[in-house]
Amino acid sequence: QVQLVQSGAEVKKPGSSVKVSCKASGGTFSSYAISWVRQAPGQGLEWMGGIIPIFGTANYAQKFQGRVTITADESTSTAYMELSSLRSEDTAVYYCARVSSDSSGYYPLYYFDYWGQGTLVTVSS
Amino acid sequence: QLVLTQSPSASASLGASVKLTCTLSSGHSSYAIAWHQQQPEKGPRYLMKLNSDGSHSKGDGIPDRFSGSSSGAERYLTISSLQSEDEADYYCQTWGTGIHVFGTGTKVTVL
Repeated sequence: QVQLVQSGAEVKKPGSSVKVSCKASGGTFSSYAISWVRQAPGQGLEWMGGIIPIFGTANYAQKFQGRVTITADESTSTAYMELSSLRSEDTAVYYCARVSSDSSGYYPLYYFDYWGQGTLVTVSS
Repeated sequence: QLVLTQSPSASASLGASVKLTCTLSSGHSSYAIAWHQQQPEKGPRYLMKLNSDGSHSKGDGIPDRFSGSSSGAERYLTISSLQSEDEADYYCQTWGTGIHVFGTGTKVTVL
């Protein structure tokens, strides 16, 4: 049974950084990409970026380029998301999710098949 | 630009059926999508992946009353025999040229 367990809630000051962890168990960590998705209060889901641990390369949504860093530690099966220059609009629940792939259609689909429990990050002075 | 469009809300009575729609933007009508459920105060849960031909595959433990179908650029999620626990937000999601895209979500109310 795949499980993604995230670190606990954080309260941060504007301008600071936050680093959230996501520890995977029950699967082959390195073989799957891990993505980070956030949800502001009362809003929908927003993809931030992801990483394939075995390659160590990350890609980011344009909106977060330069402010987010996603890393992975294969030895502990843990992915991390660090968001810098925090502002009040970054107050949200941050989720990690495992990415699986499917090639049975016309185009490949990469989709989130397991989700972490979420980490609330509050940015307030 | 790859965009997924969903209606903001839907409702149906307990025990009835509801059909949700996710529409792919022009030029992307052959894309597959995934459906995710988010119950109140909970994290998202993967329901199924759905191809353009209507073939679909559900996640572990997803009840049979959840099914998917497709027509052109539209992808559907049908929930039959609605239960109170089906009251939730439902998001469609897809991928294209390195980015993941979510629809804006449909809030389902069980009357």
